[in-house]
Amino acid sequence: DAKTTQPPSMDCAEGRAANLPCNHSTISGNEYVYWYRQIHSQGPQYIIHGLKNNETNEMASLIITEDRKSSTLILPHATLRDTAVYYCIVRAPSRSGNTPLVFGKGTRLSVIA
Amino acid sequence: EPEVTQTPSHQVTQMGQEVILRCVPISNHLYFYWYRQILGQKVEFLVSFYNNEISEKSEIFDDQFSVERPDGSNFTLKIRSTKLEDSAMYFCASREARTQETQYFGPGTRLLVL
Repeated sequence: DAKTTQPPSMDCAEGRAANLPCNHSTISGNEYVYWYRQIHSQGPQYIIHGLKNNETNEMASLIITEDRKSSTLILPHATLRDTAVYYCIVRAPSRSGNTPLVFGKGTRLSVIA
Repeated sequence: EPEVTQTPSHQVTQMGQEVILRCVPISNHLYFYWYRQILGQKVEFLVSFYNNEISEKSEIFDDQFSVERPDGSNFTLKIRSTKLEDSAMYFCASREARTQETQYFGPGTRLLVL
């Protein structure tokens, strides 16, 4: 089962920042927080990941609280093409090298014009 | 930018028939995965594959499923005798190396079993 809790849906106005929260209160010290999104039954698309420091790339920023029990994905200027289901996943580096991703239900983000 | 590709994009088959779903992972990637998503449900892990053998598999991945890397580029999922409940999107994913944990997904194959 997924170890994260996300709101089922959110709306965001086009051009505004979208802030998607995720709770992972049972996260272990070596577990990373990953964010993926899925646009209308396409394959999940990697967005960003982090361990404890905040991270930023060309797609988004990831803010992880100091206690690591929650995080927020920020899309700084949402566009209509950002409408998707966003998944927050915690995952430890695997000894076998091949631990799968465990997807929850995610947050359905609707960007509104 | 390199990407995972999958063929066919859609497959319709009769119950009991065999299907083979094909994936071409990103060229320097070493770890390969199959996931599936039944319509309206979560993405579910099926199997992971490394060094020409299965690393992990889920309860879903029973004896009717098999995976193979027949050459240096393709990674296939075979369903021997399809059932109605096998209708789903099937996603292939690949990952570069043990120290690089990010998995990259293909666009999926939509399988419909009639």
